[in-house]
Amino acid sequence: GQSLEQPSEVTAVEGAIVQINCTYQTSGFYGLSWYQQHDGGAPTFLSYNGLDGLEETGRFSSFLSRSDSYGYLLLQELQMKDSASYFCAVLKANRDDKIIFGKGTRLHILP
Amino acid sequence: EAGVVQSPRYKIIEKKQPVAFWCNPISGHNTLYWYRQNLGQGPELLIRYENEEAVDDSQLPKDRFSAERLKGVDSTLKIQPAELGDSAVYLCASSSRTYTDTQYFGPGTRLTVL
Repeated sequence: GQSLEQPSEVTAVEGAIVQINCTYQTSGFYGLSWYQQHDGGAPTFLSYNGLDGLEETGRFSSFLSRSDSYGYLLLQELQMKDSASYFCAVLKANRDDKIIFGKGTRLHILP
Repeated sequence: EAGVVQSPRYKIIEKKQPVAFWCNPISGHNTLYWYRQNLGQGPELLIRYENEEAVDDSQLPKDRFSAERLKGVDSTLKIQPAELGDSAVYLCASSSRTYTDTQYFGPGTRLTVL
């Protein structure tokens, strides 16, 4: 079977750093993406990891370890506008390419 | 550059009624996706198009759902008849290449079935 696990909720303080973890179990793994979604809004792409290691884009970084079937999204210098849901998504490259989204992590930012 | 356009934004219907959603992807994007997102869940892929060809519709409930992408540009997703459990947000996304490329999502259509 296949599964993605990420925490349902995370709380952090404005200006701090927070890490959102994602573990997956799937065959034909190709890469891991992260999306942000504000309430009532559309998901927006944040980052993609096709290879092991860290990808950095401004205040956001994403990490992937294929051997551990694990990745995380790191948000630095948290701002109130970062309050949103964050989804990891596994890209599968098998006979049928697929993308599978996790259930999302709701990030609460405290002032 | 215009983003992905969807209409309507909201739709309220009674069960057993038909409903249709429309999506216009970003110009030049060959790949178009329809997702369903239930409250508190991640998007679930319903169907993926490469140009006008539906290449992955394994998650589409074919007894009541249908989709088309005539001329490989805009697309329509239809439900007939709608059931209470179909209440969700229906998202359309597009990308220039399949999956490995960034997907751009539209604002979605929030469907309420009474």
